[in-house]
Amino acid sequence: GQNIDQPTEMTATEGAIVQINCTYQTSGFNGLFWYQQHAGEAPTFLSYNVLDGLEEKGRFSSFLSRSKGYSYLLLKELQMKDSASYLCASHSWGKFQFGAGTQVVVTP
Amino acid sequence: DTGVSQDPRHKITKRGQNVTFRCDPISEHNRLYWYRQTLGQGPEFLTYFQNEAQLEKSRLLSDRFSAERPKGSFSTLEIQRTEQGDSAMYLCASSLEQSADTQYFGPGTRLTVL
Repeated sequence: GQNIDQPTEMTATEGAIVQINCTYQTSGFNGLFWYQQHAGEAPTFLSYNVLDGLEEKGRFSSFLSRSKGYSYLLLKELQMKDSASYLCASHSWGKFQFGAGTQVVVTP
Repeated sequence: DTGVSQDPRHKITKRGQNVTFRCDPISEHNRLYWYRQTLGQGPEFLTYFQNEAQLEKSRLLSDRFSAERPKGSFSTLEIQRTEQGDSAMYLCASSLEQSADTQYFGPGTRLTVL
């Protein structure tokens, strides 16, 4: 079976750092994806981890620990445009299981 | 524009009617996925294709839902005898198996069943 858990909402100030945690229980795990979704729009790809460790892409970094079934997305130097839902998704045998998303609210 | 496209973008229908949605994936992508998303939830897997073969269909999907990808390019999703509970955003995504299956989503079709 598959189960993805992530917090419902997080609030942070412009310029700050926010870490969104995600835990998963996935059989046949192949990798962990993070997507950003603005209200009324489709999800857009942010990052992908298949091996343990940290992947850095500009202001966004993602970490994976396969043994712990844990990942996080780190957003640095927050901007107002980063206000969105962030979706964690586990990949297993060609299928993706998405979490409900974490709504990040960036305040001035 | 070489991204994933979906048509129509919005569909309003009466309960009991049939609807069909179309998805055109990124041209070289061999995998195509259909999802349903309701407010406050993540995308829910419906089905996926590798080329023209439908590899898996969610057990949550009733027999009223059917999808095809006849030539391994575009796909259609049909919902028969629509119900109000079918109201949702229907998302299509495509990926290239050799590129870690990174999915790229289309803009979605928003279905409202009255």
